[in-house]
Amino acid sequence: EVQLVESGGGLVQPGRSLRLSCEASGFTFDDYAIHWVRQAPGKGLEWVSGIIWNSGTRGYADSVNGRFTISRDNTKNSLYLQMSSLRPEDTALYYCVKGGSVAAGTTDYFDYWGQGTLVTVSS
Amino acid sequence: DIQMTQSPSTLSASVGDRVTITCRASHSISSWLAWYQQKPGRAPKLLIYEASRLESGVPSRFSGSGSGAKFTLTISSLQPDDFATYYCQQYNSYGGTFGQGTKVDIK
Repeated sequence: EVQLVESGGGLVQPGRSLRLSCEASGFTFDDYAIHWVRQAPGKGLEWVSGIIWNSGTRGYADSVNGRFTISRDNTKNSLYLQMSSLRPEDTALYYCVKGGSVAAGTTDYFDYWGQGTLVTVSS
Repeated sequence: DIQMTQSPSTLSASVGDRVTITCRASHSISSWLAWYQQKPGRAPKLLIYEASRLESGVPSRFSGSGSGAKFTLTISSLQPDDFATYYCQQYNSYGGTFGQGTKVDIK
C-alpha cells in the first residue's frame, strides 16, 4: 500500500522559515518524481514544487520560486521542502504527492496523496 | 501559463442523475488532463488521467473525454458517495495547473 506521510507543519511568523518532510512507502521511491501541492483554507489546489527521481530537475511555482527549496533523499524514501521568507499567503495544507508516471519530469498527474500538513503563517 | 476553467462552479443533483462537468484550457493541452475528487477533510483522489484513462479501482460510472482545450467528466448515475468537489488538472505545461473546482451537492 502506497503511503505518504507529511510532517513539520505549524504556526510560524511572517519572514521565518519552516521545513516540511514527507516519508514514503509502498512503492519504489526512486522511480518517481515527487511533488508538493498546497491548498489554502477553503480554496483550490496549487502545485508548489516537484523533483524528479534523481534530483536532476526541480521545479517551482512562480509564487514560491526563490523562497522554497525542494530536495529528496532516496536512501530514506523521503522528500523535503525548505520554506523561507514565509508570507501569510503561504498559509495552506501542504500535500506530498506522487507523480503518476515512471521517470517523469516535474509536470505530471498525481496518483497518490498524503493527508497533508498545515502551515499557518501569522504574527 | 495555461489557465483551466471549470463549469459550473456548483452543481446540484440527485442520486441517479447523469452529471457532466466541463474543463476548458486557455491553450491546447493535447490529452494531458487529469480529474480528481475531493471530499471535505480528505486529500484529493485521482479519478482519470490522460483525459479518458480510468484510474485503477475507480467505478466505471466515471468517464472522461475530450482533447485539445475542452474536456468533460461524466458521472453516469450519481451515487451518494459521489457528492464532493471535482478538480481538473492540466499537466502539459510546467508544473501543471488546476481548475477552480466544481462542487457537486445534493439537490
